[in-house]
Amino acid sequence: GAGVSQSPSNKVTEKGKDVELRCDPISGHTALYWYRQSLGQGLEFLIYFQGNSAPDKSGLPSDRFSAERTGGSVSTLTIQRTQQEDSAVYLCASSSRVGDQPQHFGDGTRLSIL
Amino acid sequence: DAKTTQPPSMDCAEGRAANLPCNHSTISGNEYVYWYRQIHSQGPQYIIHGLKNNETNEMASLIITEDRKSSTLILPHATLRDTAVYYCIVRVASNSGYALNFGKGTSLLVTP
Repeated sequence: GAGVSQSPSNKVTEKGKDVELRCDPISGHTALYWYRQSLGQGLEFLIYFQGNSAPDKSGLPSDRFSAERTGGSVSTLTIQRTQQEDSAVYLCASSSRVGDQPQHFGDGTRLSIL
Repeated sequence: DAKTTQPPSMDCAEGRAANLPCNHSTISGNEYVYWYRQIHSQGPQYIIHGLKNNETNEMASLIITEDRKSSTLILPHATLRDTAVYYCIVRVASNSGYALNFGKGTSLLVTP
């Protein structure tokens, strides 16, 4: 079946611009996660959505970062006034329910800030 | 979540079994062991997970010691496409949801 889909796959933008990254989770998955991975580094948790509950935003690095999930499905991650240190691969994952079910990842959006 | 320790790198000949170890000596009774891998330029790929019993699926086998303080991921017949970074993650199964802590993993190189 279809996996987690992320778009765009690559994004190059100038410092100071706003960017939106999109994630389409696996159909029926109620939990959705955003992570980022800087070059040569591990994954850093950003934000988590579960159903209609308030999202866990504890990993967002600054108030320039925000995310929403409309209709319990598609999610967008927005970065305002981008900085060069925002350059990274942004990964989205979803899972069918919480508990022991694994998260399944998309291939990410590679964001480059010039 | 319990901390995990993995060797930074391993080699394996194509066609042989790859045995990737993971230590998680502080694991709690309600924590699962998950294995993921990440092939260059791709997102992490789920492989297998378990709590107490050994598990097997089409990709791999997971052997968890009786005291649950360590585990081994076994790729029975490694291929060149199995070259990747393998991550062992321990986490609680929680209805509150849980971010994954990937650590540095083991870089597995499968050679011809």
